[in-house]
Amino acid sequence: QQQVKQSPQSLIVQKGGISIINCAYENTAFDYFPWYQQFPGKGPALLIAIRPDVSEKKEGRFTISFNKSAKQFSLHIMDSQPGDSATYFCAALNTGTASKLTFGTGTRLQVTL
Amino acid sequence: NAGVTQTPKFRVLKTGQSMTLLCAQDMNHEYMYWYRQDPGMGLRLIHYSVGEGTTAKGEVPDGYNVSRLKKQNFLLGLESAAPSQTSVYFCASSYSGTGKESYEQYFGPGTRLTVT
Repeated sequence: QQQVKQSPQSLIVQKGGISIINCAYENTAFDYFPWYQQFPGKGPALLIAIRPDVSEKKEGRFTISFNKSAKQFSLHIMDSQPGDSATYFCAALNTGTASKLTFGTGTRLQVTL
Repeated sequence: NAGVTQTPKFRVLKTGQSMTLLCAQDMNHEYMYWYRQDPGMGLRLIHYSVGEGTTAKGEVPDGYNVSRLKKQNFLLGLESAAPSQTSVYFCASSYSGTGKESYEQYFGPGTRLTVT
């Protein structure tokens, strides 16, 4: 049973456009929602994270929107750049359980010129 | 700081062979994890450890064993490799404290394993 569902599987956006990736979770015990960015041949790295007590968090061009009642959260990349081309994973964590992350299936983003 | 390192980077095994993947971290993290990454399936937790000498099963533990004899090292073993274990394996570590900064997991560069 997949506890974190992520869409789309792949995304092509023009340079300067907005990239939007969506995730939905089932387990209401999750209380920490990070996004990881992975470049080819590298391990994932934390990009941005949010707690459910806020509805939005922004860091530079990256914003997480969080809807607790709908159990959904999304990543918005503003002014997308070719250097943003990577695979993005949403994840969820119950902070009471040894920091075990549950990952979504990933979105491969390609930003074209 | 090297962060999280993994050895080897690539390996090809025949069905039935055994091998050990080594993960090392120099950040004095308590928690360590082994994941496998397969196309379309994201990262799935194999085993994890909350401290030296302790290990626990994750989501997909069958066919794998682990050991954490030293705080900085976490070993993943395949006793009898199967083609279904062809994957990219990632090790990660994290701090054990509370607070928003403590939940970040730091990943190694991965090991690409092919079982023929």
